[in-house]
Amino acid sequence: KAGVTQTPRYLIKTRGQQVTLSCSPISGHRSVSWYQQTPGQGLQFLFEYFSETQRNKGNFPGRFSGRQFSNSRSEMNVSTLELGDSALYLCATRGDSLYGYTFGSGTRLTVV
Amino acid sequence: GESVGLHLPTLSVQEGDNSIINCAYSNSASDYFIWYKQESGKGPQFIIDIRSNMDKRQGQRVTVLLNKTVKHLSLQIAATQPGDSAVYFCAEKDTGNQFYFGTGTSLTVIP
Repeated sequence: KAGVTQTPRYLIKTRGQQVTLSCSPISGHRSVSWYQQTPGQGLQFLFEYFSETQRNKGNFPGRFSGRQFSNSRSEMNVSTLELGDSALYLCATRGDSLYGYTFGSGTRLTVV
Repeated sequence: GESVGLHLPTLSVQEGDNSIINCAYSNSASDYFIWYKQESGKGPQFIIDIRSNMDKRQGQRVTVLLNKTVKHLSLQIAATQPGDSAVYFCAEKDTGNQFYFGTGTSLTVIP
């Protein structure tokens, strides 16, 4: 079966712009979580969506938002980009069993 | 709050030797643990998992050991190969089904 698909793979934006990233989960996985990964901070949890509802939220400013569609695909949006938002953004999905937490390859965002 | 840490940020081993990567966790109520491997430019890849009611689990060339008494998790890789060079993360799941990740250990295999 297909894995977790994240698009785009790479993105370059300028400060002040906004960006939308997409994550398509494994078929049957209804939970989608987003993480920010930077060399100094490791994996930082952004939020989790389940059945179109945000179920958990990490400690990030309101510039970071997300949503999930009825087909379980999820998007995350970052507004008013800052240089410090440059990172690898990963999504991870899982099924109802709570196990088998699978990551996508990520979107590498560079803010200049 | 949760705290998942790795004892060593880097580890170098000779090809063919066994590797041991360690991880400490702080929440004694965590009930599920995963080890991931992340190669450069890729997302974390699931290696092996273990539930809190187990002490040991083996996969192909990998073994995970869980010591709940000292809240310690380790990943053993047998006969380490150059393709094993990567960053390895441990993750714990709490009873609220939230995952917490360590910062990672960079494993370098010397041919």
